[in-house]
Amino acid sequence: NAGVMQNPRHLVRRRGQEARLRCSPMKGHSHVYWYRQLPEEGLKFMVYLQKENIIDESGMPKERFSAEFPKEGPSILRIQQVVRGDSAAYFCASSPPGTSQGDTQYFGPGTRLTVL
Amino acid sequence: AQRVTQPEKLLSVFKGAPVELKCNYSYSGSPELFWYVQYSRQRLQLLLRHISRESIKGFTADLNKGETSFHLKKPFAQEEDSAMYYCALSQTGANNLFFGTGTRLTVIP
Repeated sequence: NAGVMQNPRHLVRRRGQEARLRCSPMKGHSHVYWYRQLPEEGLKFMVYLQKENIIDESGMPKERFSAEFPKEGPSILRIQQVVRGDSAAYFCASSPPGTSQGDTQYFGPGTRLTVL
Repeated sequence: AQRVTQPEKLLSVFKGAPVELKCNYSYSGSPELFWYVQYSRQRLQLLLRHISRESIKGFTADLNKGETSFHLKKPFAQEEDSAMYYCALSQTGANNLFFGTGTRLTVIP
């Protein structure tokens, strides 16, 4: 099991462009979480998805950010019209079906987004 | 609102010395507390969680509800313990995690 995969590992965008970050959960996992880590800060929860459903998006900025986890394929975090403040490390985590409070999340290596 | 506080950004101890990484939280419900660790060039991984009440790699952490703390302790630090440590909390009925800002532990040979 290769673990949670994220690509690209590094992404550079100019202001106003779109950024697409991909996350493939561990085999058999159906829950995906996205976190953002700004410089000198801890990871901050953005969104929690199950296959084809957004369960909790309370940490997502109201504009420009969206996430999906289709029936087939990876979960995608999309940032439209990126600004310099979007520069951060974006981490994806996954957990198996039936996950509840207190269960382990398995993290990917992260995507480092740099906005020029 | 929930909050996780790790007051020390950096902590250095000598090999063989005891180590304690502090974590305080604020949450009105029944939280689940975790410690995650990130070794150099590796991904974030779970170290331990309070519901397991187990010792991992010699580390233990006790949830103190009176002091709202979940400090991570090890009696004798090893060089391989050098890493970034994050305390995290999940709320009642929720799966997402709230993280502290992390403490970078350096064990001096």
